Amino acid sequence: DQQVKQNSPSLSVQEGRISILNCDYTNSMFDYFLWYKKYPAEGPTFLISISSIKDKNEDGRFTVFLNKSAKHLSLHIVPSQPGDSAVYFCAASGDGGGTSYGKLTFGQGTILTVHP
Amino acid sequence: SQTIHQWPATLVQPVGSPLSLECTVEGTSNPNLYWYRQAAGRGLQLLFYSVGIGQISSEVPQNLSASRPQDRQFILSSKKLLLSDSGFYLCAWSVLSLKTFFGQGTRLTVV
Repeated sequence: DQQVKQNSPSLSVQEGRISILNCDYTNSMFDYFLWYKKYPAEGPTFLISISSIKDKNEDGRFTVFLNKSAKHLSLHIVPSQPGDSAVYFCAASGDGGGTSYGKLTFGQGTILTVHP
Repeated sequence: SQTIHQWPATLVQPVGSPLSLECTVEGTSNPNLYWYRQAAGRGLQLLFYSVGIGQISSEVPQNLSASRPQDRQFILSSKKLLLSDSGFYLCAWSVLSLKTFFGQGTRLTVV
């Protein structure tokens, strides 16, 4: 059972425009969500996170939105740059109570391509 | 600052051979340590995690094992590799169970 889903395998965006990456989850025990960026043959790099007590978190060009009732989160990148081209993974953790020990459940990833 | 070292970067091993991947973390104490695997075309799957020396929890049944002989050292092993063990293996760490940071990964190909 896929508890974290990224239903779009790929996304293509023009440089300067907004990139919106989506993620859905099914486990209501998840209360901490993260986005990672990954280049081929490298480890994922942490981008931004959000706790379930918030609905928005912003860091520079990256903003994550969380809709708990819909069990949906999204990552907005504005403006998109060619260097943003990579695979983006959303991940979820049930660490609100500290009992999940930071274990992450990942989505399948979305390949973002930003064209110059 | 904290850093994580994982080696080797690539590895080609014959079926039936043993495996040992090592990971060390610097700049932090008593981290939670993890081994993840990314199979071809799929997301990352948690294999093992450890909250302390000698403490290992397995998330999925498999042909692999893990050990934590020191606070900041995590080892992934197998006595006999299978073709299905091929994949991209990632060591990771976190403190206070918040953000998780990953190593550069090991590309394992079993032939």
